[in-house]
Amino acid sequence: AQKITQTQPGMFVQEKEAVTLDCTYDTSDPSYGLFWYKQPSSGEMIFLIYQGSYDQQNATEGRYSLNFQKARKSANLVISASQLGDSAMYFCAMREGRGSGGSNYKLTFGKGTLLTVNP
Amino acid sequence: EAGVTQFPSHSVIEKGQTVTLRCDPISGHDNLYWYRRVMGKEIKFLLHFVKESKQDESGMPNNRFLAERTGGTYSTLKVQPAELEDSGVYFCASTERGTSGGREQFFGPGTRLTVL
Repeated sequence: AQKITQTQPGMFVQEKEAVTLDCTYDTSDPSYGLFWYKQPSSGEMIFLIYQGSYDQQNATEGRYSLNFQKARKSANLVISASQLGDSAMYFCAMREGRGSGGSNYKLTFGKGTLLTVNP
Repeated sequence: EAGVTQFPSHSVIEKGQTVTLRCDPISGHDNLYWYRRVMGKEIKFLLHFVKESKQDESGMPNNRFLAERTGGTYSTLKVQPAELEDSGVYFCASTERGTSGGREQFFGPGTRLTVL
């Protein structure tokens, strides 16, 4: 079974509008972390936002916010006031557990959503 | 402060040849991870080093892949012999030891491997 599911292969949004990228996850571990990364056409992976399973509030980082619904196991990324530079592939990822003594924080990724911002 | 660097940025080789990818983590980061994205599929974990020790290599596809991290600094990932299905982008990431909650893995720019 997929641990991270991103159901939107592609999304389009008008510049200056908000957009929500969906992510659902599957884990039986009570301790986990959820991440969003952006990958522009240049290829690098850019960390955007993190949500811990025990965090009481939804994470926010500038124009990015994470709509964390624990009971539904969803962690949607909301980008407000989209900009042309937001056009990129977006990956949702999960880290399960607190890691072993070596702090293994390996990530499990979804397949990604390609966001296109139109002028 | 320099980020995670990877070399080469792009490699094109023939099937059956050997290729070695290199990753330099952020200085002082004990944890080093290798990931791979095959075209059209999700990014998948390959292995994890803590300093020079392999902590988890459960994601390594087969014994044609050999990763090392001598001295606990940079790491190499050798593919020998390369097969067509090895084509993809290989990412390296690093984190500090004991980073609270593992909030961020710093990724390198990736190496795009093409096997012809």
